[in-house]
Amino acid sequence: DTEVTQTPKHLVMGMTNKKSLKCEQHMGHRAMYWYKQKAKKPPELMFVYSYEKLSINESVPSRFSPECPNSSLLNLHLHALQPEDSALYLCASSRRQGRNTDTQYFGPGTRLTVL
Amino acid sequence: DAKTTQPTSMDCAEGRAANLPCNHSTISGNEYVYWYRQIHSQGPQYIIHGLKNNETNEMASLIITEDRKSSTLILPHATLRDTAVYYCIVRSQLNYGGSQGNLIFGKGTKLSVKP
Repeated sequence: DTEVTQTPKHLVMGMTNKKSLKCEQHMGHRAMYWYKQKAKKPPELMFVYSYEKLSINESVPSRFSPECPNSSLLNLHLHALQPEDSALYLCASSRRQGRNTDTQYFGPGTRLTVL
Repeated sequence: DAKTTQPTSMDCAEGRAANLPCNHSTISGNEYVYWYRQIHSQGPQYIIHGLKNNETNEMASLIITEDRKSSTLILPHATLRDTAVYYCIVRSQLNYGGSQGNLIFGKGTKLSVKP
């Protein structure tokens, strides 16, 4: 089983709202990732967690706050977003971070619209 | 991570083989070639990866040239459901805690399979 699940599938929020995206995997993977994908662009890496600790933050604004409460769960907390943050947010996982022999598996994504 | 070059778009007739090229002339000896695809508004789907030898699985075949400077992904009998953006990615070797080994997506090839 190589399934990564993400909830919700769609999210519409105002600029003053606080919301969270959730990602879950049960493959025993110890690396989890958040990507952002704007329309007609490739996915871009935002954060990497390795063994539940933040390993990489690709200079993401603080209005995006990741959290990894356990080895199976990854959250992305959203606060005071801007309309330009509207995008497809993708979660992925792999056995370990950074090993080029470990395949990353992606979830279906959350389509976020900020009004 | 080595840079890749792919055609922007390709067409293929349904039932025929789709051959998607990728140029990675600056690839290093321990870098792997990965292929993912992304069907519209879904998460990227892992297809196949390889180092030196040709690889085959239930989805596709990967042919890597002897000098490793280019590769071709082959979908043997393309169907309409294979219409997607195909990403060729070169992944560097592990550098624990760094960004090497992560997926860096280029623009990919938009494959359109036509009846």
